[in-house]
Amino acid sequence: GAVVSQHPSWVICKSGTSVKIECRSLDFQATTMFWYRQFPKQSLMLMATSNEGSKATYEQGVEKDKFLINHASLTLSTLTVTSAHPEDSSFYICSARILSRGNTEAFFGQGTRLTVV
Amino acid sequence: RKEVEQDPGPFNVPEGATVAFNCTYSNSASQSFFWYRQDCRKEPKLLMSVYSSGNEDGRFTAQLNRASQYISLLIRDSKLSDSATYLCVVPRGGSQGNLIFGKGTKLSVKP
Repeated sequence: GAVVSQHPSWVICKSGTSVKIECRSLDFQATTMFWYRQFPKQSLMLMATSNEGSKATYEQGVEKDKFLINHASLTLSTLTVTSAHPEDSSFYICSARILSRGNTEAFFGQGTRLTVV
Repeated sequence: RKEVEQDPGPFNVPEGATVAFNCTYSNSASQSFFWYRQDCRKEPKLLMSVYSSGNEDGRFTAQLNRASQYISLLIRDSKLSDSATYLCVVPRGGSQGNLIFGKGTKLSVKP
């Protein structure tokens, strides 16, 4: 099946620094990828939709200048958490969908657990 | 009505029990629906897709009621390994529409 690879799987950073998370589609081209965030005991909350070759679309309440998204190729989207603070500590996960007749299954990366200290 | 709303958990059931979860959605135009399973600290994995009235895969049955705008997931003969959080997922809209996740229902199957 299709695979989405996310890296790193976990990261600890100091408050005020930036962290980049990569999301790659390994055996298919993804014009659109999605970035989610999940706090403990909460559901996945969509942060933004990453579009190859154009600007990302952010959900209401998500700061686009803080969460920078770059989707420079059909197989790679990156999320950079800038000037991270402890409240940004969360589980970040990307996904991509393969659209074929009747199939809109989403494939998820393994997730990145970010801890800001 | 929220975009996607699920039964609050947790569901604590003994092995072998039958358990059902419900999920309601607000967008009457939605055509496809999904149940994902998420284990603790892991990414969600697709359990079942629902495109018409329902779908069945072994011990798992998903049913769709468009008139009432709800989807259900039935698990028969529960196994210990079924313990997880089950997420109801509905595309927001359009062929490239992003997926909206319910808060999830936690299932714990006990010996």
